[in-house]
Amino acid sequence: GAGVSQSPRYKVAKRGQDVALRCDPISGHVSLFWYQQALGQGPEFLTYFQNEAQLDKSGLPSDRFFAERPEGSVSTLKIQRTQQEDSAVYLCASSLRGHVSGANVLTFGAGSRLTVL
Amino acid sequence: GESVGLHLPTLSVQEGDNSIINCAYSNSASDYFIWYKQESGKGPQFIIDIRSNMDKRQGQRVTVLLNKTVKHLSLQIAATQPGDSAVYFCAENINQAGTALIFGKGTTLSVSS
Repeated sequence: GAGVSQSPRYKVAKRGQDVALRCDPISGHVSLFWYQQALGQGPEFLTYFQNEAQLDKSGLPSDRFFAERPEGSVSTLKIQRTQQEDSAVYLCASSLRGHVSGANVLTFGAGSRLTVL
Repeated sequence: GESVGLHLPTLSVQEGDNSIINCAYSNSASDYFIWYKQESGKGPQFIIDIRSNMDKRQGQRVTVLLNKTVKHLSLQIAATQPGDSAVYFCAENINQAGTALIFGKGTTLSVSS
């Protein structure tokens, strides 16, 4: 597609429920990043994929968070047993090549807003 | 803590004024910097970038200045328009494959007519 597409745009979950957030990156983009953005804050890195390989998951806040990109295109971020502190906007970004540079900027999706009650 | 931060959380200007948004970073190894604009309900949108071997770069109505001595980055917007109202983030990166952008907290720019 023309841009990075994320779904759902809005998700309300009860505490303890599992959620899955989907990201469709720009076709052909090698790199895919997930960020978490709390209200009034800047995006914080969660995890990074190069094709299907998850090369960095150092930003995942707990083992309740899991991300996958099995075929090197669409990615899913799963949050198990959601907690109120998980409420945030989850942003996906992709880039054409393997690292961020002047000719290889990140393009972000509009995000999925998760509210945990 | 965060390695990228901003001096002011909010900035209010009149339409037509020039705006200057500042950012301080702390990681000496960072060699690539980007400014993003984020409108309500949207993802961050690339504005302009600069490498550490430069101290100034100009785009359309925007200029980014980099002072490596004091680890300071600024975004200048000329003739600010109401459509420039948004949250502006600076982000830094180390030129290494797979490294992620690190964002600051952001400055909210409000432009009044």
